[in-house]
Amino acid sequence: DQQVKQNSPSLSVQEGRISILNCDYTNSMFDYFLWYKKYPAEGPTFLISISSIKDKNEDGRFTVFLNKSAKHLSLHIVPSQPGDSAVYFCAVAGGGADGLTFGKGTHLIIQP
Amino acid sequence: DTGVSQDPRHKITKRGQNVTFRCDPISEHNRLYWYRQTLGQGPEFLTYFQNEAQLEKSRLLSDRFSAERPKGSFSTLEIQRTEQGDSAMYLCASSFGRSEAFFGQGTRLTVV
Repeated sequence: DQQVKQNSPSLSVQEGRISILNCDYTNSMFDYFLWYKKYPAEGPTFLISISSIKDKNEDGRFTVFLNKSAKHLSLHIVPSQPGDSAVYFCAVAGGGADGLTFGKGTHLIIQP
Repeated sequence: DTGVSQDPRHKITKRGQNVTFRCDPISEHNRLYWYRQTLGQGPEFLTYFQNEAQLEKSRLLSDRFSAERPKGSFSTLEIQRTEQGDSAMYLCASSFGRSEAFFGQGTRLTVV
């Protein structure tokens, strides 16, 4: 049973517009949430994180929102750029687990 | 500091052979993690070390898998008697405590 779900396998967005990637989780004990970006044949690269005591965290063009009551996490990228085209993974920590639990990823394609 | 380093980047082996992968973490990080990633999936947690102590190994996929971290520096992941189902990307990550984990570029294993 998947504890972290990214329901959109792919997302296509026009350059300059906002990209919104979504993630749902099942365990309310998760307390730390992260987004990673991955290019083919490379390891995941850390983007941004948020702890459960916050509901928003910003870093440049990237903003992560956390809705604990809905067990929902989202990543906003504004404005989207061609270099943002990659697979984005949502990951969670806590809930008694020692490592990160990842979703299956969303392939973001930025169109010119 | 050049980040997390993994060696080799690619490994092709015959079924039944043993393989060993190496990971050099970021020097000031005390935690080291191993993950496995298969096509279309997010990374799957296998095991982790805090300094030289292996604190979680129940998630290793079978008793053919073992990991070591002598002296709390680099780590090795060994797979004995490889099977075709072991073909995957093996990722190493490091962190300082529960902060965000930084990943290496991975070792792509192909068992033929």
